[in-house]
Amino acid sequence: KAGVTQTPRYLIKTRGQQVTLSCSPISGHRSVSWYQQTPGQGLQFLFEYFSETQRNKGNFPGRFSGRQFSNSRSEMNVSTLELGDSALYLCASSLLGPRGYTFGSGTRLTVV
Amino acid sequence: DQQVKQNSPSLSVQEGRISILNCDYTNSMFDYFLWYKKYPAEGPTFLISISSIKDKNEDGRFTVFLNKSAKHLSLHIVPSQPGDSAVYFCAARANAGGTSYGKLTFGQGTILTVHP
Repeated sequence: KAGVTQTPRYLIKTRGQQVTLSCSPISGHRSVSWYQQTPGQGLQFLFEYFSETQRNKGNFPGRFSGRQFSNSRSEMNVSTLELGDSALYLCASSLLGPRGYTFGSGTRLTVV
Repeated sequence: DQQVKQNSPSLSVQEGRISILNCDYTNSMFDYFLWYKKYPAEGPTFLISISSIKDKNEDGRFTVFLNKSAKHLSLHIVPSQPGDSAVYFCAARANAGGTSYGKLTFGQGTILTVHP
């Protein structure tokens, strides 16, 4: 079966711009979570969506937002980009929560 | 506030020997722990997990030990193989009345290198 698909794989943006990242979960998975990975920080939880509702949110500023559609596909948006937003953004989907998490390959965002 | 810590940034092991990766946590609400493996340019891959009601879980060459009193868990890989070379992350989930299923707290990762 197809895995978690994240698009685009790579992205270069300028400070102040906004960006939208997309995640298509495994078919049938209703839980989608987003994480930010930066060197030395591990993976930081951004938010989790389940059946179009945000179920959990991490400690990120309001510039980071997300949503989930009725087909479980999810998008995350970062507005007013800062250099420190440069990171690998990972999406994970699950049928019943983290026990069955499958991660996508991520979107590498570079802010210049 | 780093609630999950992997204090060893890297570990180097000879092929065939045991690899032991360590992880410490501070949040007493964590009730489920997981280990993930990550290769460059790929997302993390689930390896093994353990519930807080157990102290050991084994899956092939991988065993996870949990010491709740010390708030410490470890991943043992025996025997280690060159293909095990990757970044290993431990992660934990807090039980908050069933509302935190999707939120995992990760450690910073340990780079494991297995030499032939």
